[in-house]
Amino acid sequence: GDSVTQMEGPVTLSEEAFLTINCTYTATGYPSLFWYVQYPGEGLQLLLKATKADDKGSNKGFEATYRKETTSFHLEKGSVQVSDSAVYFCALIPAGGTSYGKLTFGQGTILTVHP
Amino acid sequence: EPEVTQTPSHQVTQMGQEVILRCVPISNHLYFYWYRQILGQKVEFLVSFYNNEISEKSEIFDDQFSVERPDGSNFTLKIRSTKLEDSAMYFCASSEGQYYGYTFGSGTRLTVV
Repeated sequence: GDSVTQMEGPVTLSEEAFLTINCTYTATGYPSLFWYVQYPGEGLQLLLKATKADDKGSNKGFEATYRKETTSFHLEKGSVQVSDSAVYFCALIPAGGTSYGKLTFGQGTILTVHP
Repeated sequence: EPEVTQTPSHQVTQMGQEVILRCVPISNHLYFYWYRQILGQKVEFLVSFYNNEISEKSEIFDDQFSVERPDGSNFTLKIRSTKLEDSAMYFCASSEGQYYGYTFGSGTRLTVV
């Protein structure tokens, strides 16, 4: 079945450091790929998405590129801030019309940014 | 920006009791979902709802669970007889289309004692 694997956390960085959170997936065809963020005490917010190979999703300084050849969708940010501290989830919706948009999530990566 | 609204934010219930978790999806959205997140674990799919019927459900979504869209605006999740292991954060979500990505509500934390 479809699955998403994220790098083990937690990740601890100093402010202005470069961030990478790795995400790889297993799915047939071309799934749609997403990053969601969960700030402390809040729900899940869509951070960015990409729906086809080589697409780059971007938002709030975060970027991720859909790499079909490596089945990856790594999240990057050039300079993190304390306010980026949160849990980040990689997720996919399978290709084709039978899933009704069911999201499969990775296990989440906790990011803590220190001043 | 449109929001998905969930109530209550926190519910404590005794084992064996029925609970109803409520959600108001975004008004022009067509697909509706429930997910849950047990503390420290993955976010898990429970059920999807489209065109006034369940379109897909997970193995977690057994006979103890049901969903309804009673009045065209609310979307509810009912657990008939709660167990301790139902304690989790429950998220409602809605979407315009299957591949758009969702808007999630802020969740209901259910504690079964």
